[in-house]
Amino acid sequence: DSGVTQTPKHLITATGQRVTLRCSPRSGDLSVYWYQQSLDQGLQFLIQYYNGEERAKGNILERFSAQQFPDLHSELNLSSLELGDSALYFCASSVGGGGTGGNTIYFGEGSWLTVV
Amino acid sequence: GESVGLHLPTLSVQEGDNSIINCAYSNSASDYFIWYKQESGKGPQFIIDIRSNMDKRQGQRVTVLLNKTVKHLSLQIAATQPGDSAVYFCAEIRGDKIIFGKGTRLHILP
Repeated sequence: DSGVTQTPKHLITATGQRVTLRCSPRSGDLSVYWYQQSLDQGLQFLIQYYNGEERAKGNILERFSAQQFPDLHSELNLSSLELGDSALYFCASSVGGGGTGGNTIYFGEGSWLTVV
Repeated sequence: GESVGLHLPTLSVQEGDNSIINCAYSNSASDYFIWYKQESGKGPQFIIDIRSNMDKRQGQRVTVLLNKTVKHLSLQIAATQPGDSAVYFCAEIRGDKIIFGKGTRLHILP
């Protein structure tokens, strides 16, 4: 158990809908990262928050947004869902703002989103 | 563009033998590398890391080698066991960004 908690574990929704994925980082970790994993793309970095502020942005679509709350938990909002958005969405956390030694990134078990 | 990749998508190894999983990276400015293991239905799990000022680092049954000259990273698993079956990712750290390769699936033969 990495200490990173994600909900829901599984979600099935229709195209055009909107969903929210939630993440609680490890105790003491200030950074939260969101990744998308699909079969043909591997792990794709979406976005990172550090202590409530956006820190880095990756390949995140405009239909997707995220935020980190004062208690450090984070939500990833996916809207106008398309079939191609079906994937595993991982949250990860680290103590500091980057991955350099001492700030290892720990992953949650993921939220499996299926868009039908 | 810049990327982190893996030479072999699938590696089959006899139980008890040593496994070597390779990774190439393209940015010489990267200063930190991590290997992750992802079992089916689970999130990536940290295995071992190495800084760019090191050539080798050993853990329990695992060794990571870094060759900066050819920008190559490898993960060696000694005495491979059935529980080692998973997808292994190398990751390259550049500042605040962590970039993953697509992964190599390690398959253990009985």
